[in-house]
Amino acid sequence: AQSVAQPEDQVNVAEGNPLTVKCTYSVSGNPYLFWYVQYPNRGLQFLLKYITGDNLVKGSYGFEAEFNKSQTSFHLKKPSALVSDSALYFCAVRVGTGGFKTIFGAGTRLFVKA
Amino acid sequence: GAGVSQSPSNKVTEKGKDVELRCDPISGHTALYWYRQSLGQGLEFLIYFQGNSAPDKSGLPSDRFSAERTGGSVSTLTIQRTQQEDSAVYLCASSAEGGGGAQYFGPGTRLLVL
Repeated sequence: AQSVAQPEDQVNVAEGNPLTVKCTYSVSGNPYLFWYVQYPNRGLQFLLKYITGDNLVKGSYGFEAEFNKSQTSFHLKKPSALVSDSALYFCAVRVGTGGFKTIFGAGTRLFVKA
Repeated sequence: GAGVSQSPSNKVTEKGKDVELRCDPISGHTALYWYRQSLGQGLEFLIYFQGNSAPDKSGLPSDRFSAERTGGSVSTLTIQRTQQEDSAVYLCASSAEGGGGAQYFGPGTRLLVL
């Protein structure tokens, strides 16, 4: 079955430290992978995507993600966390070869402590 | 420019009533998605429209749910004979590029079925 998993419900990190939010996927064919963020009382926002090319993709707000085909992972990273990064993060993957259905992970809540 | 808009922002209804939720996508976006987000949960795919193609309805949870997209723009999600378990935030998103493009989300409609 095609799926996307975020193994951590919550990630805690101190401000200034690097952060990683994990995502693994299981899809047939070449995956289209996305990260979205949901700030409190705000809508979902696109952060970055991987379609093809360089395995390290850079996105908004200093975030980046690394596509690892052998590990079927697409972890979100940031070198230095900010308190304002505290939010709910969703990994998503397009499934199917003929359509564009997208499935989302359950989300990981990131807490950055000052 | 204008983003994705949804109406109403909140809807309270009684069990057994029908409700209609509206989504106005970003002008020119050919793809439109509906998702459901229950409290503290991830996004559940409901339905996807792409141009004039037949919609992907594979995520609709029951035949009480239906959606239309008129003129390739505005979409309406209809829930008939609402049940308490239908209570959730219903999110609409649009995309310019179909499966490979970022989705832009509306603020959602918060539905409460009493």
